[in-house]
Amino acid sequence: DAKTTQPPSMDCAEGRAANLPCNHSTISGNEYVYWYRQIHSQGPQHIIHGLKNNETNEMASLIITEDRKSSTLILPHATLRDTAVYYCIVRVNSGGSNYKLTFGKGTLLTVNP
Amino acid sequence: DTAVSQTPKYLVTQMGNDKSIKCEQNLGHDTMYWYKQDSKKFLKIMFSYNNKELIINETVPNRFSPKSPDKAHLNLHINSLELGDSAVYFCASSLVGGELFFGEGSRLTVL
Repeated sequence: DAKTTQPPSMDCAEGRAANLPCNHSTISGNEYVYWYRQIHSQGPQHIIHGLKNNETNEMASLIITEDRKSSTLILPHATLRDTAVYYCIVRVNSGGSNYKLTFGKGTLLTVNP
Repeated sequence: DTAVSQTPKYLVTQMGNDKSIKCEQNLGHDTMYWYKQDSKKFLKIMFSYNNKELIINETVPNRFSPKSPDKAHLNLHINSLELGDSAVYFCASSLVGGELFFGEGSRLTVL
């Protein structure tokens, strides 16, 4: 029941920028976009999240289109350790101040030497 | 110090047995979760507790019973284990409305 669509896989050369797209055309006005990644056999790790404005932190940048129907996660200088499954998630309110993250299939990003 | 820790990391057991997985977080969070990741790698939320109160209970068999003795702990007890219960179970915690911090997972194999 994920509200997002992502390509199943992508490749990127080491040292280059990795741009991971995500479509979330049914997103509601107050729903945030979250990005997590899961490196093989590890627990998922939060990367970044945003509502309307573009966001940047030490790991990545998040570009959200003006109509909020899609977004792009940018890893500016991909390394081999960035090889992982990247999940784009629309955070849904599950009642009161509680929220639910529903993970989709994600994008397997493979960074090549 | 591990922020969200789960024990055991690996668990192999026979069908029909009862087993528990423990989870503890030292982040001071008030919300904790259990997720299940099956062989196809789908991550599905099972339960969520906020300050020891159940707030999310997805369509999970009654054989699964979460228990939260305090807000730093959320244990998962599974009765009458079935082959289909084999999966990796992830515990997570967050502040209300905040990002989730996941544990390293507990791989359950039912033979």
